[in-house]
Amino acid sequence: GESVGLHLPTLSVQEGDNSIINCAYSNSASDYFIWYKQESGKGPQFIIDIRSNMDKRQGQRVTVLLNKTVKHLSLQIAATQPGDSAVYFCAERSGGYNKLIFGAGTRLAVHP
Amino acid sequence: GAGVSQSPSNKVTEKGKDVELRCDPISGHTALYWYRQRLGQGLEFLIYFQGNSAPDKSGLPSDRFSAERTGESVSTLTIQRTQQEDSAVYLCASSLTSRETQYFGPGTRLLVL
Repeated sequence: GESVGLHLPTLSVQEGDNSIINCAYSNSASDYFIWYKQESGKGPQFIIDIRSNMDKRQGQRVTVLLNKTVKHLSLQIAATQPGDSAVYFCAERSGGYNKLIFGAGTRLAVHP
Repeated sequence: GAGVSQSPSNKVTEKGKDVELRCDPISGHTALYWYRQRLGQGLEFLIYFQGNSAPDKSGLPSDRFSAERTGESVSTLTIQRTQQEDSAVYLCASSLTSRETQYFGPGTRLLVL
């Protein structure tokens, strides 16, 4: 069945370092992928998305990479800041509409 | 503009009681979604609305759960005869169309005692 999983449940980084959060997906028919950030007590906040016809997309301090060959997605955060501390979720879409399948999440902890 | 809002932000209820959770989507968004998030876990899809219709209710866990949407705007998720396992954060999201980015509300934290 469909599944989205994350390799690392927690990731600790030093302030100023780059962070990489990884995600594996299993449905090769998925055509859209998205990353959300969730801070404690809040709803998920959109970070960046990518369609399956692309392999890289950049935003402000964030880059998403998609490797369809190995069904792998990653989120790179440049110059990680304390405000980046949160749980990050990847999700995939494989249906005709926006039904997203979420992974369990990775907690990013940024240390000064 | 205003984002997705949900009410109440927190709800404590006794086992067996009914609860209603409300979602106000972003104005003009035709698609609306409900998700459930158990403590420390990812989001589980519950139901999707396109306009006032629900083409996909496949995620509703049991017949105790129901939802409606009116005026292509506000949606209400109702849980009847609540059980302790219903304790979770219930999140609502909306998108401009069924293929656009989903934006989430802050959630309703439900605790069933």
